[in-house]
Amino acid sequence: QSVLTQPPSVSGAPGQRVTISCAGSNSNIGAGLDVHWYQQLPGTVPRLLIYNNNNRPSGVPDRFSGSKSGTSASLAITGLQPEDEADYYCQSFDNSLSGHVVLGGGTRLTVL
Amino acid sequence: QVQLQESGPGLITSSETLSLTCTVSGNSADSISSGYYWGWIRQPPGKGLEWIGSVYRSGSAYYNPSLRGRVAISVDTSENRFSLSLSSVTAADTAVYYCARSCSSTTCPFTHWGQGVLVTVSS
Repeated sequence: QSVLTQPPSVSGAPGQRVTISCAGSNSNIGAGLDVHWYQQLPGTVPRLLIYNNNNRPSGVPDRFSGSKSGTSASLAITGLQPEDEADYYCQSFDNSLSGHVVLGGGTRLTVL
Repeated sequence: QVQLQESGPGLITSSETLSLTCTVSGNSADSISSGYYWGWIRQPPGKGLEWIGSVYRSGSAYYNPSLRGRVAISVDTSENRFSLSLSSVTAADTAVYYCARSCSSTTCPFTHWGQGVLVTVSS
């Protein structure tokens, strides 16, 4: 299982707001290490969606936002659109075992 | 804009060593010799992403603890590429393998990705 825990699936109707959680521990998110989020549309390469907890790369709509608190992080999507249907992954760094990148198991977002 | 391209055999036999190369192209600021970490991430069919390891221009590398002992990542600055070697493969190593670039810190995200190459391990 993944070091970072995400719900396997979430869903919402167009226009609604959904959140995806990413639960970590005191050796990664809780240690103050940054969280990043990726979006993977069906059949495509993952693309960076949010970096350093709450920053959007150029070209990412402001409907996407990230937050972090304690040992967890969240990705929020407002004004849900059909094209948001994708898999979402969180990433951080873990200080244990000489340090390594950790990824969440991924969350499938379904737009109803 | 930096581009990454994976290459290597798409089919290997169980117990063999998987070898992939990622060739980096772009301007000089995007070269392997620039201050970035370069990584490998894989995705088994229908499953999630798994980080394999990352390497710096110096050749210093760090790996997923679950793969340590089987994996090695090296860098070739003269050819502007980096490589993955994964030994004693089994069917569980069947996946799309992506190479990617992050930044100058181990805590950075992967900002640029290759298109990925499917590697199938057969028995």
